[in-house]
Order: sequence, then structure tokens, then C-alpha cells
Amino acid sequence: KQEVTQIPAALSVPEGENLVLNCSFTDSAIYNLQWFRQDPGKGLTSLLLIQSSQREQTSGRLNASLDKSSGRSTLYIAASQPGDSATYLCAVNRDSNYQLIWGAGTKLIIKP
Amino acid sequence: GAGVSQSPRYKVAKRGQDVALRCDPISGHVSLFWYQQALGQGPEFLTYFQNEAQLDKSGLPSDRFFAERPEGSVSTLKIQRTQKEDSAVYLCASRPEGASNEKLFFGSGTQLSVL
Repeated sequence: KQEVTQIPAALSVPEGENLVLNCSFTDSAIYNLQWFRQDPGKGLTSLLLIQSSQREQTSGRLNASLDKSSGRSTLYIAASQPGDSATYLCAVNRDSNYQLIWGAGTKLIIKP
Repeated sequence: GAGVSQSPRYKVAKRGQDVALRCDPISGHVSLFWYQQALGQGPEFLTYFQNEAQLDKSGLPSDRFFAERPEGSVSTLKIQRTQKEDSAVYLCASRPEGASNEKLFFGSGTQLSVL
């Protein structure tokens, strides 16, 4: 059974720092992996989607990497800003199945 | 519309009441999902529609939960005889096609509190 883990559960850093959020999964047979952002009281916003054949995806200050063999993905945020404060969740699609298996998220606080 | 819209935003129900949660997906989106999210957890899959067809309802916790999408657009999640353990945020998401290599668009959710 696929399990997705995100460590740490919470992270607080000063503005301007570069940071890395971690996501690990137990079954390497995935179709794709997605990173989402969730703001309090709001739904989820898809940030990056990495296909199983890809190693990384970039969008602005965000870079997500995928290492299927080790069951890991990282979300790199460059030059963090207070507006980046949110909960970040990763989710994997196993094979071509549409069911996403989610981590519990990392709550990120960027201090001004 | 511009995004996925869910209503009501908040719902308080007495235990035993029936509730209905509505989802308006992005116009033209084929796929529609319902998720349940407990506090501090990631979403849990409930059910999936492709147009009006409910292709998977394996995540529905019990037969008290029922979802429909009769015309392939708006969807309703109904919970009968609500219980305290049903308290959660219910999220709806849609996607343009059926393929799972596309991003999901989420609504803001309905926060259900059962007293």
C-alpha cells in the first residue's frame, strides 16, 4: 500500500532564506507526483506536476525534483517571502490511476 | 465560472440531520472528484465522476454518503443521518479531461461541523 510522508510537519524560517520541503513515498511505481499549496480556509492550488519520466519541474522560485528509485521528492523554494506561508502537500498518482495518495503536509511560516 | 465553486462555505448540522454539499466545477471539465480532509491531514479520496458517470465510489465511508452529477456538470454530495465523525472539510476538484497527467483545480471546500 502506497504511503506518503512529509517531514517536517512544520517549518518556520526568516524571509529571504532558501528552503527545501521533503516528500517520501513507499512504492516507487508512480505515474506522477504533484505539489500543492493550501492557504488557511481555502482549497488547494496545484504548484507543480512531475511525470514519472521526469526528474524535475520549475515554476518561478519553485523547483520540484523527483527520485523514483529512492521514493523521494523535494520542493525547493528560493528567496522565501512572507506570502509563501502556507501548508504544502505532495500527492502521488500510482500507475495511471486517478486516485491521489496524499501526504499530511508541511506547514510553512516565513517570518518577515 | 472562473474556478471551482463550492457551497455552502460552512455548514453546521445536528447529529442525525441530512446535508447536501454542492460543487460547480470549471465549465467543460470532464473529471470531478470529491475529497474529505480532516484537520491536519491530507485529503482522502471519496468518489470520482467522468461526465455524469460515477466511475469510482470506493472511498465513500458508508452508505450514508451519496454523490451524483446528473448532467455532467454540477455535483452534489449528500450525507444522510450525519455523525460527529463526518465533521471535516469536503473538497471538490475538477480536471479538463480524464487523463491523470493534468493538474487538478480545487474549490475552497465546505467545512462541515456535526454537533
